[in-house]
Amino acid sequence: DIEMTQSPSSLSASVGDRVTITCRASQTIGPYLNWYQQRQGKAPRLLIYATSGLQSGVPSRFSGSASGTDFTLTISSLQPEDYGTYYCQQSYFPPRTFGQGTKVEI
Amino acid sequence: QVRLQESGPGLVRPSQTLSLTCSISGVSVNIGGDYWSWIRQSAGKGLEWIGRVYGTGTAESNPSLESRVSLSLDTSSNKLSLTLTSVTAADTAVYYCARDHYGGLPSPGYHFDVWGQGVLVTVSS
Repeated sequence: DIEMTQSPSSLSASVGDRVTITCRASQTIGPYLNWYQQRQGKAPRLLIYATSGLQSGVPSRFSGSASGTDFTLTISSLQPEDYGTYYCQQSYFPPRTFGQGTKVEI
Repeated sequence: QVRLQESGPGLVRPSQTLSLTCSISGVSVNIGGDYWSWIRQSAGKGLEWIGRVYGTGTAESNPSLESRVSLSLDTSSNKLSLTLTSVTAADTAVYYCARDHYGGLPSPGYHFDVWGQGVLVTVSS
């Protein structure tokens, strides 16, 4: 299976901060990397698909990028509603695999 | 608007069979290029993809669960089903169904764009 490793596992930031979360794939996965946000007790919500595609309805402060097998989710200006746990997920090859999550506290 | 709703027993005895259903509304499951997936989340293993089914009935599952998993899609009732046999405490999790949507060009690949709210299944005697 393709292993997805996220860092950091948790972070605390202030409103207005620029936040960066990294996800590293254990092998090349092309652009097939998605990002999700999950709030406590809720289902994950798609934020970014195919590395940098912004899902409809998601604020433009969220963006994604890649360098080789390293992928980055950036929140340009953290807002109070951005708390939660963020997961990356590869769709390059089955089985689909997720990162272990990054918990964002504000 | 596409909506997914999971249903099934919240408690299953060890060694028994877990059966869940996902009711899909707002789209016909046999139209388009989407798959329909099951994903579970437990404290110990995080998010784990269980498998997916296409509108034609073609299914694929996670090799880690393949010997115990059965997936099906009823196109007449627009329902997705999951059966997991010989359950143990390790199968305790929140189970989600999700649409595995193909992005197409210029953003190829699949992503889970619509999720159900999830159903907690506890395996315990």
